[in-house]
Amino acid sequence: DTAVSQTPKYLVTQMGNDKSIKCEQNLGHDTMYWYKQDSKKFLKIMFSYNNKELIINETVPNRFSPKSPDKAHLNLHINSLELGDSAVYFCASSRPTGSRLFFGSGTQLSVL
Amino acid sequence: GNSVTQMEGPVTLSEEAFLTINCTYTATGYPSLFWYVQYPGEGLQLLLKATKADDKGSNKGFEATYRKETTSFHLEKGSVQVSDSAVYFCALSKETSGSRLTFGEGTQLTVNP
Repeated sequence: DTAVSQTPKYLVTQMGNDKSIKCEQNLGHDTMYWYKQDSKKFLKIMFSYNNKELIINETVPNRFSPKSPDKAHLNLHINSLELGDSAVYFCASSRPTGSRLFFGSGTQLSVL
Repeated sequence: GNSVTQMEGPVTLSEEAFLTINCTYTATGYPSLFWYVQYPGEGLQLLLKATKADDKGSNKGFEATYRKETTSFHLEKGSVQVSDSAVYFCALSKETSGSRLTFGEGTQLTVNP
């Protein structure tokens, strides 16, 4: 069974559309994250939730809104998509005080 | 703030060659240090870690030693295989900030038969 699963794996859409990426973890972790990886492979944290509460919110446009219905899920909704949003988005989870992250396999977002 | 600097890639080696990927960090206090690996089309996986000075992390033939005096955590492997082709990320974490990791830029490694 996949520990951290995110869907869809590929997402191709037009500028201006609204889209969501879903993430679920079955590891019993309290903390979940969204990371963005650009075309040069640089990885940057976007958000972190601990037990459904937002604890890290980096400088990310308001068009990005994370939603955590329960501690096993952290979805990412993006409004008014722009060309620069094209990237691979990774969901991850960890224990609150543990430092090891478990990553999903990524969602390749292409905005045309 | 915290930061991690890795040697620029891409790195291309022949099978059985010796590998070194340099990593240096800037942080206050005593961070934990990590190497993550990303195989093509997959998410990152923890490769090894070290939590205090002079600790050596090791896994799958890879090693890295936490050197506080040089603020380094270089990744080494004595004999690489084609299956080691991947992107390698050095990272640090400060326990006071929980599991928040600061990643380096990543180094693409290609191993040719």
